[in-house]
Amino acid sequence: DSGVTQTPKHLITATGQRVTLRCSPRSGDLSVYWYQQSLDQGLQFLIQYYNGEERAKGNILERFSAQQFPDLHSELNLSSLELGDSALYFCASSVAAGSGELFFGEGSRLTVL
Amino acid sequence: AQSVTQLGSHVSVSEGALVLLRCNYSSSVPPYLFWYVQYPNQGLQLLLKYTTGATLVKGINGFEAEFKKSETSFHLTKPSAHMSDAAEYFCAVSSSGGYQKVTFGTGTKLQVIP
Repeated sequence: DSGVTQTPKHLITATGQRVTLRCSPRSGDLSVYWYQQSLDQGLQFLIQYYNGEERAKGNILERFSAQQFPDLHSELNLSSLELGDSALYFCASSVAAGSGELFFGEGSRLTVL
Repeated sequence: AQSVTQLGSHVSVSEGALVLLRCNYSSSVPPYLFWYVQYPNQGLQLLLKYTTGATLVKGINGFEAEFKKSETSFHLTKPSAHMSDAAEYFCAVSSSGGYQKVTFGTGTKLQVIP
């Protein structure tokens, strides 16, 4: 158990819909990262937050947005969903200052029909 | 800028044979290097890491990796493969300080043949 909690574990929805994925980082970790993993794209970095502020942006679509709240949990919002958004979405967290070791949650599997 | 390149998206070895997964990195500052493992339907978990000090790093499940600055490599090895080692392995690089941007390689799927 990494200490990172992601909900929901599985989600099935239709094209055009909007979903929210939630992540609770390990106790004490200030950084939260979101990754998308699909068969054709591999593990893609989406976005990183540190103590509530966006710190780095990767291949995140404009239809996607994220935020980190004062209690340090984070949410990833996916809107106007397309079939190609079907993937595993991982959240990871790390300590404020350190080696950059990430602790991953078990992922949220999104299926868009 | 930093990046990692994993050579070989799929590697097959026989049970009991040497496992060698290759990773080369590029970094403008001294890197921190990692290997993560992902078992089917699970998240990634840290296998081992190099930050500073000893260049030969030992991890869990009998894996080890050697940081070679002259070759910009951080290859993962295990002397004898076990069926339970079948998984996907990711090499990653980050830099010291700051907010630790972590860059992952494309992954190598290890198949262990009985």
